[in-house]
Amino acid sequence: DGGITQSPKYLFRKEGQNVTLSCEQNLNHDAMYWYRQDPGQGLRLIYYSQIVNDFQKGDIAEGYSVSREKKESFPLTVTSAQKNPTAFYLCASSPRGLAGVEETQYFGPGTRLLVL
Amino acid sequence: DQQVKQNSPSLSVQEGRISILNCDYTNSMFDYFLWYKKYPAEGPTFLISISSIKDKNEDGRFTVFLNKSAKHLSLHIVPSQPGDSAVYFCAAYSGAGSYQLTFGKGTKLSVIP
Repeated sequence: DGGITQSPKYLFRKEGQNVTLSCEQNLNHDAMYWYRQDPGQGLRLIYYSQIVNDFQKGDIAEGYSVSREKKESFPLTVTSAQKNPTAFYLCASSPRGLAGVEETQYFGPGTRLLVL
Repeated sequence: DQQVKQNSPSLSVQEGRISILNCDYTNSMFDYFLWYKKYPAEGPTFLISISSIKDKNEDGRFTVFLNKSAKHLSLHIVPSQPGDSAVYFCAAYSGAGSYQLTFGKGTKLSVIP
């Protein structure tokens, strides 16, 4: 079964702590994305990656970091610099992620991050 | 500045009737549009898309209409079923050098049995 997995489903963060959200895909997609959803809001792009070892900031990258060491994996770290981390985090992937190419992005089940 | 607007936060429809969800956009560079369905605490599921070279795309009970001059698109669900109750997001993509999907805030559809 091809798809996108995210873990954990729920994550609790203490003040001043960095936490890492996992995202794995076995769709053989080149591009991967991280979005954040707040209540009553649409999805906002945090980071995206079109290829291994390369990634770009989205609209709300401050307080977050990513890595793309493997094609199938795109972990997101929520750092202590992110002052309002409580949200639902969604990982997505698409086949190419190239400008000018119409593509569908496919989403994982999400991770809900809560601050203690 | 919201480039993709879903002005109705919620919509209630009787089972078997038509559901019409609306979406307006302001960026004339958008040329590919997608609808996603989302249940609580789950990731969005892709429903249907439309390219700007078309004005209609149909897939089973779902039809999307695009009016480029009005910068408006709509999703029609016929007939509506209780399992369609979810939040529907409209998303837009600009082919002119952008990788990024811009999402609306969503419309919560409730289909009443």
